[in-house]
Amino acid sequence: QKEVEQDPGPLSVPEGAIVSLNCTYSNSAFQYFMWYRQYSRKGPELLMYTYSSGNKEDGRFTAQVDKSSKYISLFIRDSQPSDSATYLCAMSGGSNYQLIWGAGTKLIIKP
Amino acid sequence: EPEVTQTPSHQVTQMGQEVILRCVPISNHLYFYWYRQILGQKVEFLVSFYNNEISEKSEIFDDQFSVERPDGSNFTLKIRSTKLEDSAMYFCASTVRAGEKLFFGSGTQLSVL
Repeated sequence: QKEVEQDPGPLSVPEGAIVSLNCTYSNSAFQYFMWYRQYSRKGPELLMYTYSSGNKEDGRFTAQVDKSSKYISLFIRDSQPSDSATYLCAMSGGSNYQLIWGAGTKLIIKP
Repeated sequence: EPEVTQTPSHQVTQMGQEVILRCVPISNHLYFYWYRQILGQKVEFLVSFYNNEISEKSEIFDDQFSVERPDGSNFTLKIRSTKLEDSAMYFCASTVRAGEKLFFGSGTQLSVL
């Protein structure tokens, strides 16, 4: 079993839709959870950073962490074509602060 | 806003040649990383660097790879004898503390011919 599982997509939705992106993980020691956005041939850009369980909101983006289910989500409200990118989850914790990455989900927002 | 900068943005080299990829991390950051991403694939960890030494490295980071912080601002990745399979986008990243927000540069696209 991979440490972090993320559906690679592509996920295609119409403009204005609510988007839900998810990752599951197996290591219960993970405490730091991040979502990165990556445009083609660019570096990952940090979108959301969460410590432990709970929700965090920033504009149109909401990150949720459910440690009991080992499941994290990123919601994008009022999606825009400019949100089209690959979204990567990453997490770390325990004795090893090394970031463990999901495979990334390719998101396409259709105008 | 402070950012991680990488040079060059593109590097083309012949197989067997040495390349040096350069990075300037964010100035108050203490932990530095190199990642790579082969086109269409996952981001892969190469090496982490703290307090002027390697703190962790992956299986990818073999004897052909080395890192250096030659002065107070630059952080370099050297590949001694490039192979075709080294062709990838190489990202530098930095953070204030291990495990916290990691900030990436725009990457260097390395093409080995």
